[in-house]
Amino acid sequence: GAVVSQHPSRVICKSGTSVKIECRSLDFQATTMFWYRQFPKKSLMLMATSNEGSKATYEQGVEKDKFLINHASLTLSTLTVTSAHPEDSSFYICSALWGGTDTQYFGPGTRLTVL
Amino acid sequence: AQRVTQPEKLLSVFKGAPVELKCNYSYSGSPELFWYVQYSRQRLQLLLRHISRESIKGFTADLNKGETSFHLKKPFAQEEDSAMYYCALWGFQKLVFGTGTRLLVSP
Repeated sequence: GAVVSQHPSRVICKSGTSVKIECRSLDFQATTMFWYRQFPKKSLMLMATSNEGSKATYEQGVEKDKFLINHASLTLSTLTVTSAHPEDSSFYICSALWGGTDTQYFGPGTRLTVL
Repeated sequence: AQRVTQPEKLLSVFKGAPVELKCNYSYSGSPELFWYVQYSRQRLQLLLRHISRESIKGFTADLNKGETSFHLKKPFAQEEDSAMYYCALWGFQKLVFGTGTRLLVSP
């Protein structure tokens, strides 16, 4: 149990376009999901906390208008990178909080490359 | 704000040798600490958490509040333990990760 999927696994796009990444909890409901960014050989950095039915909470330094998060259902959160630029190229990982615990289950990640 | 420090980027040992991956933390409240592991080309997965006091795959970790540490230990390393290990602290409604330690176990 407690499987989290992400789609797509990798995406290449042109500079200026927008990209949507989906995060799904497959066998459990998650009122809270998280979005992380991981640079090569670096740790995971929390971008935002996604709460079902309410606005996301962004970490300091993360642009809300650039990284749009929507958590419309208990099993789906989306991250849209708007007007992507090469510096947005990174590995984006989501996680979902399982039940009433503080245990997070992670998705496999999405590799974004902006040309 | 909370902080997690993993001082070693790389730890290289031979099979059968003991392993200790260091983790120190800074947090004003009562910490909830975790170790996550990421095997090659796989997703991040929970290895153990201090609350459960379990031993997973032979690994243990003891929370030492006096030294603000949560080091991960295994008495006899196996080649399949080679992976990236992240120490993480849950506090203020979010998980903060250390920079990770790559464990390389050679035959």
